Amino acid sequence: DVKVTQSSRYLVKRTGEKVFLECVQDMDHENMFWYRQDPGLGLRLIYFSYDVKMKEKGDIPEGYSVSREKKERFSLILESASTNQTSMYLCASSIRRGYGYTFGSGTRLTVV
Amino acid sequence: GQQVMQIPQYQHVQEGEDFTTYCNSSTTLSNIQWYKQRPGGHPVFLIQLVKSGEVKKQKRLTFQFGEAKKNSSLHITATQTTDVGTYFCAGPALGNTPLVFGKGTRLSVIA
Repeated sequence: DVKVTQSSRYLVKRTGEKVFLECVQDMDHENMFWYRQDPGLGLRLIYFSYDVKMKEKGDIPEGYSVSREKKERFSLILESASTNQTSMYLCASSIRRGYGYTFGSGTRLTVV
Repeated sequence: GQQVMQIPQYQHVQEGEDFTTYCNSSTTLSNIQWYKQRPGGHPVFLIQLVKSGEVKKQKRLTFQFGEAKKNSSLHITATQTTDVGTYFCAGPALGNTPLVFGKGTRLSVIA
């Protein structure tokens, strides 16, 4: 079965820490995405990548960066975690632009 | 920027009743996609509609894409408790930009 795997289901980090969220897909998909999901705000796009070593800002990139050194791996980095980054983070991939997404199980991050 | 709006935000139905959620985009979409997220789960892709006026069915679920490719609907006939969850519509603007998601409709089914 095809999969998008996120490294942690739950994380608790302290304010100011550098946080790495890892996402790996085994489907040879070109495109990968990071969204955050918050009650009442829905899913909001943070960053996306249409190819290895390529990255584009989404709607809310402030405070985040990404890395895509290999096709199957897309990492989200919180440079200095803040409490307003407490959220559910969802990684997704798609085979090509405009096609359906496969989501990972999500990482619920709490910043204290 | 592009906005995708969904109504209603919540819907509570008795098991066996029908359910419909509506989706409207501020811009023309190249396609519309629907996802389901069970409580505590992650969004799961249900279907993609591409053509203007397209209608697709999956068992008790009927999906429709508007003629202007700016609106869509999902209709569930005779809901069951397994239908519980949040239904999201999502679409890329023309040019296949990343998906913009509606805020979803949370469906509760009372047995």
